[in-house]
Amino acid sequence: AQKVTQAQTEISVVEKEDVTLDCVYETRDTTYYLFWYKQPPSGELVFLIRRNSFDEQNEISGRYSWNFQKSTSSFNFTITASQVVDSAVYFCALSAEYGGATNKLIFGTGTLLAVQP
Amino acid sequence: DTAVSQTPKYLVTQMGNDKSIKCEQNLGHDTMYWYKQDSKKFLKIMFSYNNKELIINETVPNRFSPKSPDKAHLNLHINSLELGDSAVYFCASSQVTWGGVQETQYFGPGTRLLVL
Repeated sequence: AQKVTQAQTEISVVEKEDVTLDCVYETRDTTYYLFWYKQPPSGELVFLIRRNSFDEQNEISGRYSWNFQKSTSSFNFTITASQVVDSAVYFCALSAEYGGATNKLIFGTGTLLAVQP
Repeated sequence: DTAVSQTPKYLVTQMGNDKSIKCEQNLGHDTMYWYKQDSKKFLKIMFSYNNKELIINETVPNRFSPKSPDKAHLNLHINSLELGDSAVYFCASSQVTWGGVQETQYFGPGTRLLVL
């Protein structure tokens, strides 16, 4: 069965601290995709990154970086020098090919990040 | 320009009523989805349509009926609303998924449904 675990329910940091959000996944597929989404207090779901199972290169985008390790089935997300605007719920998701022309996202339970000024 | 839009944004209604949520995307995608986010923020897929054809139906009560009049629109009709239907419903869209390439799903702003 496919599953995504985000063990950290809530994290609280002070502005400018670095913070890492953990994501561990389970799948038997050899080809799969992993995603991170951000859900700010306003409620929308904002896409952050998509990574396929054949690309284990780490990615950096500004203050955001992602570390994908197939050996430990993890896809962790680090925010460097956190800011109050980073306060949100962050979801890790695994994409499972359903067959045909679609796929479904299996979400973790989310990590609530609170950045204090 | 809004990529994926949903109406209404908020919906408050009585138990037993029937209601609809509309979704439209202007991204040119062929595939659209409905997800439900419960009070604990857990997100789960309900339905997926590709080019107006139902592909995914994830053990959702048959009181929920999606309809796709064209590939840019996916509506969700809910009959005989129950208290447990209170949630946030998200529409999403993506490019078609072929040959193992799984495309990014882009989400609408959500519809907050409260059943009293």
